[in-house]
Amino acid sequence: GAVVSQHPSWVICKSGTSVKIECRSLDFQATTMFWYRQFPKQSLMLMATSNEGSKATYEQGVEKDKFLINHASLTLSTLTVTSAHPEDSSFYICSAGTGTSGGQETQYFGPGTRLLVL
Amino acid sequence: GQNIDQPTEMTATEGAIVQINCTYQTSGFNGLFWYQQHAGEAPTFLSYNVLDGLEEKGRFSSFLSRSKGYSYLLLKELQMKDSASYLCAVKDSNYQLIWGAGTKLIIKP
Repeated sequence: GAVVSQHPSWVICKSGTSVKIECRSLDFQATTMFWYRQFPKQSLMLMATSNEGSKATYEQGVEKDKFLINHASLTLSTLTVTSAHPEDSSFYICSAGTGTSGGQETQYFGPGTRLLVL
Repeated sequence: GQNIDQPTEMTATEGAIVQINCTYQTSGFNGLFWYQQHAGEAPTFLSYNVLDGLEEKGRFSSFLSRSKGYSYLLLKELQMKDSASYLCAVKDSNYQLIWGAGTKLIIKP
């Protein structure tokens, strides 16, 4: 149980294009989904927290107009990197929370999406 | 500020036992998590401690002392596949997950 999928696993795009990454909880309903970014040899950096049906909460320093997050259902959240630039190249990982509400959930991670912007 | 400390890197021998420590200073406490992350992959959940004591799960055990702000992950009968980074994370009073930088564990034959 608690399987989270991400699609695509790899993206190579030209600078200025937009990229959409999907995160799905396959065998459970996730009231909360999280988006992380990780640069090589660095720790996870939380970008935003999204709750189904409401606006995402972005961490300080993360541009909400650049990283659009939609959490339309209890099993799907999407992250769109708009007008991507080479500095946006990174490993993007989503996680979905299980268990009771109120933040007591355990986070289960998707396999991640590697984005390379040329 | 909020802080999670764990060693940057550790080396151990195949078949041996290793203990990875984590100390934390957070505004409140609502549980501590350990995750394993292999190079180039996403983290996978290992354990969750919210009460003091030892939680055992196969070759892996996790210990928590809330009064000391301290946890450790114990790995027994080390295998080469255990080479990975081990991430300690704490939920604070707002249920926000605060992540440590991770401990890279190198297993030698």
